[in-house]
Amino acid sequence: AQSVTQPDIHITVSEGASLELRCNYSYGATPYLFWYVQSPGQGLQLLLKYFSGDTLVQGIKGFEAEFKRSQSSFNLRKPSVHWSDAAEYFCAVGTGGGADGLTFGKGTHLIIQP
Amino acid sequence: GAGVSQSPRYKVTKRGQDVALRCDPISGHVSLYWYRQALGQGPEFLTYFNYEAQQDKSGLPNDRFSAERPEGSISTLTIQRTEQRDSAMYRCASSLASDSPLHFGNGTRLTVT
Repeated sequence: AQSVTQPDIHITVSEGASLELRCNYSYGATPYLFWYVQSPGQGLQLLLKYFSGDTLVQGIKGFEAEFKRSQSSFNLRKPSVHWSDAAEYFCAVGTGGGADGLTFGKGTHLIIQP
Repeated sequence: GAGVSQSPRYKVTKRGQDVALRCDPISGHVSLYWYRQALGQGPEFLTYFNYEAQQDKSGLPNDRFSAERPEGSISTLTIQRTEQRDSAMYRCASSLASDSPLHFGNGTRLTVT
């Protein structure tokens, strides 16, 4: 069975600074990987996904993530954060792009300092 | 509507009562998923449907939990004889096909007192 680890429960970043949220997965084959963002009182919104091909994927809101098979990682990055990026971020792994459901990490709470 | 709609938004019930949570997926989406999210945790898969067929219910915690999607559109998650440990956010998601990304609703916050 697949699993996802997000080692950082909370991360605090100054507005305008760069951001990297860590995600490690465990899965025997090539995974389908996702990052979702959850703002207070909102549903989960897909930021980006990796299915195959180019290991650096671009998403919405200026986010990108890089799939590194050798490290079983799919870290999320943003060059310059905005106060509106404060939210909960979830990494998820799937086996069929959506089928069988996704396995989510426990999330990383991003705090933006002025 | 444009997104996945869940109702009620909040539900408070007494222990032992049955509850029914509704999910109205995006029109035309084939696959529908139910997740449960405890406070401070990521969503946990419960079950999913393709059209009206329940494909996987391995995530349902026990036989008090059931789900249906009789016409391949709206789905209902039913919890019988609720217990305090059932308190959580219940999230529904839909996707165009089983290999497409999921679109989540805003969830139903269930509190069992």
